[in-house]
Amino acid sequence: AQTVTQSQPEMSVQEAETVTLSCTYDTSESDYYLFWYKQPPSRQMILVIRQEAYKQQNATENRFSVNFQKAAKSFSLKISDSQLGDAAMYFCAYRRGNDYKLSFGAGTTVTVRA
Amino acid sequence: SQTIHQWPATLVQPVGSPLSLECTVEGTSNPNLYWYRQAAGRGLQLLFYSVGIGQISSEVPQNLSASRPQDRQFILSSKKLLLSDSGFYLCAWSITGTDNSPLHFGNGTRLTVT
Repeated sequence: AQTVTQSQPEMSVQEAETVTLSCTYDTSESDYYLFWYKQPPSRQMILVIRQEAYKQQNATENRFSVNFQKAAKSFSLKISDSQLGDAAMYFCAYRRGNDYKLSFGAGTTVTVRA
Repeated sequence: SQTIHQWPATLVQPVGSPLSLECTVEGTSNPNLYWYRQAAGRGLQLLFYSVGIGQISSEVPQNLSASRPQDRQFILSSKKLLLSDSGFYLCAWSITGTDNSPLHFGNGTRLTVT
């Protein structure tokens, strides 16, 4: 079974600064996909960014970028120029290739200080 | 564009009462459908998923069941609720046959069993 670990229950960042959320996963597969989701207080789950394991280039979506280290099985999320609207719980998720299921980590709560 | 509807948004039910949560997807055909549960401040636990009408896979033995009577309808049920069934339930869909397809979530149902 795949395990997704987010070791930081909470992170705090000053507005306009950068915060990095860690995520590690355990798998013996070579074909898989990784995702970061954001859950604001409304509890709507919103896709932030995705990464295909076969791609060496790190994915980027505006102020959000990942550092994908396949050998280390690490998939961290960097939020640059943090905004108050970034305050949310962030979940890392793993999906094996040719599988339907998405496995989630326990989440990291991000607080943005004005 | 595709949309997902989940209802009700909140529900308070006594122990031993039945449960029916509904989820429908519009704008796509033959989606993969999912039910997740999120305990307070925790990650998401996959309960059921379905790759087609009448095809249900259960991930966790429990007091709940799921059904897919129509292509884009997914129902979560229980005959007799337990206190431990309280939580936040999320329905989601993804595109069939696309490995990197993310899950798209509904707005969730907050269930309180009293």
